[in-house]
Parts: sequence; C-alpha cells; structure tokens
Amino acid sequence: ETGVTQSPTHLIKTRGQQVTLRCSSQSGHNTVSWYQQALGQGPQFIFQYYREEENGRGNFPPRFSGLQFPNYSSELNVNALELDDSALYLCASSDYGSFYNEQFFGPGTRLTVL
Amino acid sequence: DQQVKQNSPSLSVQEGRISILNCDYTNSMFDYFLWYKKYPAEGPTFLISISSIKDKNEDGRFTVFLNKSAKHLSLHIVPSQPGDSAVYFCAASHPNTGNQFYFGTGTSLTVIP
Repeated sequence: ETGVTQSPTHLIKTRGQQVTLRCSSQSGHNTVSWYQQALGQGPQFIFQYYREEENGRGNFPPRFSGLQFPNYSSELNVNALELDDSALYLCASSDYGSFYNEQFFGPGTRLTVL
Repeated sequence: DQQVKQNSPSLSVQEGRISILNCDYTNSMFDYFLWYKKYPAEGPTFLISISSIKDKNEDGRFTVFLNKSAKHLSLHIVPSQPGDSAVYFCAASHPNTGNQFYFGTGTSLTVIP
C-alpha cells in the first residue's frame, strides 16, 4: 500500500509568483484535503476535493485553488504569492465512504516566499 | 479565531511516567475529536479518536478522555517512551463541515530516558 506523497519537498518563490504543489493520495482513498501549517501553528484547512469537485473550503482567498484528477491525485495552486504564504503545505487523503474518517497526511511541501 | 486550543507548547516527562496532553475547544458543535502525532520532516500521523457520544477511548498505551461540559479533552500516554517524543496535535470536526478538521497549535512532548 502506497502512502500519501507530495512534491516538491521544498520550494522557494518570490512575491507575486505562482506555485503548484502536487499530492498523490493513498491507495484506495478518493478524497484529498489541503492544509497550510505556518510556523508554530497547527494545520489550517484550505479545501477538500472529492470526485474532482471542491467539497468544502476554509477561510482562504480565491487565489488558492485546486484540482483533483480521475486517479484522485491533486494539485494546490497559489497565485500572486505573498510573504505570509510561506508555510508547510500538507496534503491528506481519506476515504469519503465513512463520514468519520481519519486523514492520512503526506510529509508536506515547505514553501518559502521571498 | 482559534476554536481548538492547546495551551501548553511543550511538556517534558520522565520515561515510564504518564504524559498528559490537554486540549480545549470553544465550538459546542464539535462532535468528533482526534489526536495526531508529528515527527520532524514527516506529516502528522493519526493516533486515536473519540466521538462525542463517548467520554473515553483507549488504544494500548494511549487513552483519550472527553469532558463535553468543560469542552476539554486530554490524551494520556502510559507508560511514556522516548519514541513518543514528538509534537501532538488535537483536532476536531462537526457535522456541518464534514471532513474539515480544526487543529490546535500543538504540544511538543519530550520523554527523557
């Protein structure tokens, strides 16, 4: 069974640029959630994708957008990067078949915005 | 607005003793709570969960207690082992938001050999 993988591991961008982060969900999982973890904080929910559609969104502006593909992998896109976007971005996969389901996290992508 | 709070940023415990990690929440709609453990350079790993219909759930050395009236939950680790040294996050969700989890800020546990 393959776990959740994310790429790249680290990324450095400058203000105003755009970035795409990628996530492959765990085998058998059909739902992907994205979280932002700033330094010293807990993960903050960005949004979730189920069956290629957004299925819930946290308090993040529209410049944070995403995609889910037929194989359940997902992308997180952030436009017009700001310094405060520097954080660890975590992807988590789960099985939407169960209402209460544990989310399995990938190792994250560390984004630094200069 | 931090709906899930972990007021102790760090905790040190001697090996073999009990570790107690605390978590408070403000939203009375939360009905499902989880604890995650995170090692450096890894994503959070699910540890244990509890539904609001219970007040205790046990899994080996880990027990989670829920006090709904106080809006408080705690994670007990007995006996503590050096490998338990990690950052522990509590998380909560409620029916209206389904799979959206609200996380606390974490408690860094150090178990001293």
